[in-house]
Amino acid sequence: DTEVTQTPKHLVMGMTNKKSLKCEQHMGHRAMYWYKQKAKKPPELMFVYSYEKLSINESVPSRFSPECPNSSLLNLHLHALQPEDSALYLCASSQEGGLSTEAFFGQGTRLTVV
Amino acid sequence: DAKTTQPNSMESNEEEPVHLPCNHSTISGTDYIHWYRQLPSQGPEYVIHGLTSNVNNRMASLAIAEDRKSSTLILHRATLRDAAVYYCILRETAGSNYKLTFGKGTLLTVNP
Repeated sequence: DTEVTQTPKHLVMGMTNKKSLKCEQHMGHRAMYWYKQKAKKPPELMFVYSYEKLSINESVPSRFSPECPNSSLLNLHLHALQPEDSALYLCASSQEGGLSTEAFFGQGTRLTVV
Repeated sequence: DAKTTQPNSMESNEEEPVHLPCNHSTISGTDYIHWYRQLPSQGPEYVIHGLTSNVNNRMASLAIAEDRKSSTLILHRATLRDAAVYYCILRETAGSNYKLTFGKGTLLTVNP
């Protein structure tokens, strides 16, 4: 199984809502990533988890709150988002411990904030 | 972050070879060169990676310059399904972690 599964595929939320994005992989990968991608732009790294611990936060606003409850799951909790946060949110995973390891990406959650 | 420079777009004809260039003049000795592609409405997909030597796999070939300041992704026979944005990325360390930072990429159009 070389799949990274993201749910939901689409999400529309109001600015006062709280929602969560979910990501799951069963490849035994110990590094997991969240990216944000605006239309016609490259993915931008948000967070990196290594062995279930947050290791990189690319100065992301606190209205985005990541969580890694176990080695297979990665969540992104959303609260009080702005319309400019509308984007495709991508999850990825890779084996830890090497620059030569490839990353596997999910299909993303397309988020619209209204 | 290490930077890569790619042409914004390239065009090819079906069944012809495609050479996608990438410049990475600030590459350090430990940075691996990775290529990913993103088809419309999909997440990025790994294509190939290398350090110093040229590499081949079932999808493509990667030619790395001797000074490592540039590389070229080679698709030997382009198909319509190869139309995508191709990203050349330097996989680098950030302390004890490994970052995968995307550049702007090259939009490849394949003509039938």
